[in-house]
Amino acid sequence: DAKTTQPPSMDCAEGRAANLPCNHSTISGNEYVYWYRQIHSQGPQYIIHGLKNNETNEMASLIITEDRKSSTLILPHATLRDTAVYYCIVPVSSGSARQLTFGSGTQLTVLP
Amino acid sequence: GAVVSQHPSRVICKSGTSVKIECRSLDFQATTMFWYRQFPKQSLMLMATSNEGSKATYEQGVEKDKFLINHASLTLSTLTVTSAHPEDSSFYICSASPGRGDNSPLHFGNGTRLTVT
Repeated sequence: DAKTTQPPSMDCAEGRAANLPCNHSTISGNEYVYWYRQIHSQGPQYIIHGLKNNETNEMASLIITEDRKSSTLILPHATLRDTAVYYCIVPVSSGSARQLTFGSGTQLTVLP
Repeated sequence: GAVVSQHPSRVICKSGTSVKIECRSLDFQATTMFWYRQFPKQSLMLMATSNEGSKATYEQGVEKDKFLINHASLTLSTLTVTSAHPEDSSFYICSASPGRGDNSPLHFGNGTRLTVT
């Protein structure tokens, strides 16, 4: 499975864009990159996923480099409620389903 | 969007008793659900994969006789912590996906905080 590397923590000012990087240099051609976040004492929340094209939804944008070895999650206007641990994951296929292996993630703190 | 519901959200039990945690997919069917455990200040660790109509697959180091998983329908998986001990106190989270072998994202329940006294 493709291992991901993320910085352990980041700060961001409220209202500014939060750019969270992730390295996945061993990703293979058909593996997607998924982003989740976990707010304290809650289950992880799905944010976005992509293969090779940039993706955008109501929560965030995902920028994937052309060589697919890294990606950046962008929260365009961070709010205090975006403070959470953000996980970048490349799932492992297991039979008919995919397993998510959680690393340490990035603790994003949005500052007032 | 896909919703996964867990019940109860919190449970306190005495050492030696058993506790059952339910995981339901509310608006989709899930042939596979996953159970995770999370200790304080640590990341989620996959415990087992729950398969509808067949035996669960457990990760290395997870005792199948202690953590009983039943996935009797396409919308319900249960995790029973048998003969609970204080070291089983943890945050238990389930997940499921509407897709099957495609790239549909997994969705998570809000977790169950188990405290064994």
